Parts: sequence; C-alpha cells; structure tokens
Amino acid sequence: GAVVSQHPSRVICKSGTSVKIECRSLDFQATTMFWYRQFPKKSLMLMATSNEGSKATYEQGVEKDKFLINHASLTLSTLTVTSAHPEDSSFYICSAATGTEAFFGQGTRLTVV
Amino acid sequence: GENVEQHPSTLSVQEGDSAVIKCTYSDSASNYFPWYKQELGKGPQLIIDIRSNVGEKKDQRIAVTLNKTAKHFSLHITETQPEDSAVYFCAARENNAGNMLTFGGGTRLMVKP
Repeated sequence: GAVVSQHPSRVICKSGTSVKIECRSLDFQATTMFWYRQFPKKSLMLMATSNEGSKATYEQGVEKDKFLINHASLTLSTLTVTSAHPEDSSFYICSAATGTEAFFGQGTRLTVV
Repeated sequence: GENVEQHPSTLSVQEGDSAVIKCTYSDSASNYFPWYKQELGKGPQLIIDIRSNVGEKKDQRIAVTLNKTAKHFSLHITETQPEDSAVYFCAARENNAGNMLTFGGGTRLMVKP
C-alpha cells in the first residue's frame, strides 16, 4: 500500500506551548488529508478534513483556532496544536486519501505536561 | 450522515481458529468498505477493502463479505496467528462525501497461542 509518513511519533511539550505535527504522502499525491484524534481504547474521531490550497473543514466541536491545519501541497499537511494544555494530550493520526483509498500515518503521541 | 456499528468489541480465539467481525452501516449510498488493523501505538493499516459492486473478496487468510441489501459487511480471518492480535476497525465511505470514512467502534482481537 501507499506510504504516509507522520512526524514526530512522540512529543512531550509544556503547557502553553505549540506543537506541529507533519503528515506526508511519500509515493502518491493526496487529494484530501484528514486529521483524527484517538482516545485510549476508542475509535478514531475525525477532527478536520483538508484539501490542498483551501481552508480545512472542521468537525463540530473542534476549535479551528486551537488546531491549525495547513495543507500546503498535495503531499504535505500539518496540524499545529496551539497553546497546548494537558487535556490536549492524545494520539493524533493523519490520513491521506487518493480517489479511492485512504492510508494512515503512524500516529503522534502528544503529552502536554 | 453515515453510522457504522461494529461487533463484537472484543474477541478472543485460540490460535488456528477463525475470527469473524461484523459491521452494519446505515447509508445505502455508501459504496466503499475498508478494514484496518491497528497495533498498539501505531496508526491503522489498510488490510482489505471491498466495493459495493462486489459481494466477496479474499486475500490469503483474510476475506470480506458484503451484503448490500442488509447493509452489513464482515471480516473473516482464518487460521489465526498470535500476530493477528490487534484492534480492527471497519469503515464505510458515503457516496458524494469526498473521501471521508465513518469508522466502527473497533474490535480488539486476541489470539491465544
């Protein structure tokens, strides 16, 4: 299958700081990228959908000013968690989609202390 | 919107036995049904998918069946091995919803040696 690289895999940051997570499709151009959040032993919760060159579409209840998404090219999307707080600690996963299939990154474990 | 339900939430089998995970969906317009395997601390990995114009698809020990009339699809794993132990997610993609997937709640499969 296609490869989606997500970086970093783990990050620990102090409360009030910002963290950027990168998602790259390595061997294909992704028409759409998705960002999910996953709580322990739970399913994936869609946060936002982004298309290259346009503003992301956020799901209800997700603060767009807190979770900034930039989709600069067909192979790169970034999620920035701004002014992070301990409750933002979670597993964040990106997904890149072709016209038919969706492939996931390795996930990022964010811990805010 | 689409709603996907997945059962069982946990499944324990003996090595060599078969495992079956079932999902139902609500939107009859959905046309793409992937299955993902997620190991601890990693992102979901696409293992098999099926489209609405096909009733069954097989890839070695893994098979997926789709019943469009009943709006349910199932994952079958034969000759299970300890390395099959993981969380499995089904998903459905609505027609005309871009590439957005709706996930089931997940099934934790444990294969006992």
